[in-house]
Amino acid sequence: TQLLEQSPQFLSIQEGENLTVYCNSSSVFSSLQWYRQEPGEGPVLLVTVVTGGEVKKLKRLTFQFGDARKDSSLHITAAQPGDTGLYLCYAGGTSYGKLTFGQGTILTVHP
Amino acid sequence: KAGVTQTPRYLIKTRGQQVTLSCSPISGHRSVSWYQQTPGQGLQFLFEYFSETQRNKGNFPGRFSGRQFSNSRSEMNVSTLELGDSALYLCASSREGLQSRDEQFFGPGTRLTVL
Repeated sequence: TQLLEQSPQFLSIQEGENLTVYCNSSSVFSSLQWYRQEPGEGPVLLVTVVTGGEVKKLKRLTFQFGDARKDSSLHITAAQPGDTGLYLCYAGGTSYGKLTFGQGTILTVHP
Repeated sequence: KAGVTQTPRYLIKTRGQQVTLSCSPISGHRSVSWYQQTPGQGLQFLFEYFSETQRNKGNFPGRFSGRQFSNSRSEMNVSTLELGDSALYLCASSREGLQSRDEQFFGPGTRLTVL
């Protein structure tokens, strides 16, 4: 079983649409990070959230950390083809063994 | 500054062989972590090295091993290759390591194909 469950696994949308990706767990995490990976490259950090209920905005991307620090969401407004990629959530917990990535969400934005 | 580099970028081996992958972290970073990425399992944590010591290990068999040198460069070795070891192997470096919430900087990966 995955410690971090991401949904949806695949998302195919048209340019200009909004979307939300979810990252859920039954465990509590001290922090959660979102990464984006493009083909042929390694993941690149988008944001780190630390405080329960925290909301961070990065241009058209909005990240939220759940109040109980067990879940997070990534919302993209007016998606563009350049947003296409694999989105990964990553969490570290109080126990070192909980370090893990979610399965990822493959986002395709069509022009 | 230069990013994380991995060599080689592509590798083709046959079952039973062994392979060594190399990772050069960003200058000043003491932590190097290794991950295996496959379509079915996603990104799986292999191990982390910090100042030449293995700090943690994921749930992989003993065929997977690694080491880190005094200049922080790291190598990963897989012995007795199996078909299921075909994957993209990513390394990531960070200044203080995975316990510090530091950003991990990833290399482009080594694509290993086992025939």
